[in-house]
Amino acid sequence: DIQMTQSPSSVSASVGDRLTITCRASHSISAFLAWYQQKPGKAPKLLIYPASNLQSGVPSRFSGSGSGTDFTLTISSLQPEDFATYYCQQGHSFPRTFGPGTKVEIK
Amino acid sequence: QVQLVESGGGVVHPGRSLRLSCAASGFTFSDYAVHWVRQAPGKGLEWVSLTSSDGTSKYYTDSVKDRFTISRDNSKNTLYLQMNSLRPDDTAVYYCARGHGDYHYDAFDVWGQGTMVTVSS
Repeated sequence: DIQMTQSPSSVSASVGDRLTITCRASHSISAFLAWYQQKPGKAPKLLIYPASNLQSGVPSRFSGSGSGTDFTLTISSLQPEDFATYYCQQGHSFPRTFGPGTKVEIK
Repeated sequence: QVQLVESGGGVVHPGRSLRLSCAASGFTFSDYAVHWVRQAPGKGLEWVSLTSSDGTSKYYTDSVKDRFTISRDNSKNTLYLQMNSLRPDDTAVYYCARGHGDYHYDAFDVWGQGTMVTVSS
């Protein structure tokens, strides 16, 4: 199975900050990497797939990059509605696996 | 609008069975692979199972193999998850999710609201 790791596990940030979250795969997954945002009590929302392709309706302050084993999600200027937990997920092989999540909290 | 709605969750004793359903609307269900993903209370996301658009290909995570069965009825636009021999560590919110792209290399672009399954004596 492909193991996914994320860093940091949590971060406190302010509105307007630039934030980068890192995701690493235990084996190369090419660009088959998705990013999700999840708010408490809600289903996850797909932001980016594959690696750098922003999904329709997702604000342009979100961007993704990377290929192979190392990936990043960047939020260029945090907005109040961006405080949530972010997960990466590999779509390269079965079983699909998720990172443990990064919780973004308000400073 | 594009929608997935899960049902069938509840409280069940260890060793018992439960069947979850996921009703799709607003898109051509038979064109898409669909998945089950679960989330234990306070924990992260765990992929459970996939069925291809025509139901001929199915995949499972190891912890549910031989206990859970995924199926679909494209005439009813409905996805199912038959869960047998339930264990306390199956306790989670179960989401159905639509596959985005070729099911060999997909992500999940539409999610249901989730249904809670609690396995407890």
